[in-house]
Amino acid sequence: DAEITQSPRHKITETGRQVTLACHQTWNHNNMFWYRQDLGHGLRLIHYSYGVQDTNKGEVSDGYSVSRSNTEDLPLTLESAASSQTSVYFCASSESRDGHNIQYFGAGTRLSVL
Amino acid sequence: QKEVEQNSGPLSVPEGAIASLNCTYSDRGSQSFFWYRQYSGKSPELIMSIYSNGDKEDGRFTAQLNKASQYVSLLIRDSQPSDSATYLCAVNDYGFNKFYFGSGTKLNVKP
Repeated sequence: DAEITQSPRHKITETGRQVTLACHQTWNHNNMFWYRQDLGHGLRLIHYSYGVQDTNKGEVSDGYSVSRSNTEDLPLTLESAASSQTSVYFCASSESRDGHNIQYFGAGTRLSVL
Repeated sequence: QKEVEQNSGPLSVPEGAIASLNCTYSDRGSQSFFWYRQYSGKSPELIMSIYSNGDKEDGRFTAQLNKASQYVSLLIRDSQPSDSATYLCAVNDYGFNKFYFGSGTKLNVKP
């Protein structure tokens, strides 16, 4: 079955280290998204991509970067991890169906920055 | 900034009752509306979508949309303890293909 997978599921790192979270989807969706979810803030958009070589900043992009070299993958990199980036990170992809976009989520990565 | 507002709850209902979850949105250009269910420690799961004014029913779930009032709701009939979760409202503007989420309403269904 087609799906969207995130790895690792859990990660503990230290302040200042570079961290990359992987997202891989087999639906062949052009549109992919990264969110973070924190108590009291809901889902906040970090970066998104509408296709290969396309990346865009979301509302909380500072300290994060993404690259899109193929349709299947959108890795999220924390250049220098900070304690404020401790969060749960969700990757999502969307498809267009009957003129509407529908979004599906991966299982999430729980990141702790110590 | 496009906003989606939900009452954070918790909303407590007894088993078998109707749970009513509400959501308002700020952007009149929004065209697609969704309800996601999120169990604690899990990812959001799409349970309902609605695109036109009125009601849409799927099993025990009914989504209601009123674009004039910029209001969307989710009714859960015959609520079960397994419905206890956080429900996220999301809206989408097709032209920009970005999704805006509310912060979620926590539902507790008591046996």
